Amino acid sequence: KAGVTQTPRYLIKTRGQQVTLSCSPISGHRSVSWYQQTPGQGLQFLFEYFSETQRNKGNFPGRFSGRQFSNSRSEMNVSTLELGDSALYLCASSLRQGSMLNTGELFFGEGSRLTVL
Amino acid sequence: AQTVTQSQPEMSVQEAETVTLSCTYDTSESDYYLFWYKQPPSRQMILVIRQEAYKQQNATENRFSVNFQKAAKSFSLKISDSQLGDAAMYFCAYRSNRRQAGTALIFGKGTTLSVSS
Repeated sequence: KAGVTQTPRYLIKTRGQQVTLSCSPISGHRSVSWYQQTPGQGLQFLFEYFSETQRNKGNFPGRFSGRQFSNSRSEMNVSTLELGDSALYLCASSLRQGSMLNTGELFFGEGSRLTVL
Repeated sequence: AQTVTQSQPEMSVQEAETVTLSCTYDTSESDYYLFWYKQPPSRQMILVIRQEAYKQQNATENRFSVNFQKAAKSFSLKISDSQLGDAAMYFCAYRSNRRQAGTALIFGKGTTLSVSS
């Protein structure tokens, strides 16, 4: 079974630009969540999507947005990039909470490393 | 709000020895999961071990075991017979089992484990 796939793996942007990151979950997983990882703040939850709907959101400004498609693939977008947005963005997939098969585990991708200059 | 604290930014161990990583958390909930995730350098995060709060028995996965003290809100990870491949950043994480919380994980800041031969 293929794992969680994130693209692109590395990218460099300049302040003020926007960026879109993509995530393909494990087949059969319908929940996709996003995390930001920085040396200073650690791992912080951005948002979670299930059935094309945002189910939960972390404490990030509105510049951070996302969406999920009918095939469960997800994208996140960051507009008006700031230097502080430089981070590793991790996508994780899981079975929906409440499923009898849901062990509570998240499966992570390798991440997209964003550098903002 | 729930918090997770890892008080050891760095730990070191020699091959074949045992090391314990500490984690404490704060929550008012009674139904939740606790996890230890491993993030090797430049590689994806993988689950090491999980514990359901309602289970009194400590989880064990091969050389990895936890000491779950619910009343003390402590969740330490013991790695026995350490191997070079165990070198990584280890994250302790909390997940509420409330449906409204979705699958969001709250992470500690991480402990970098180095293993020497």
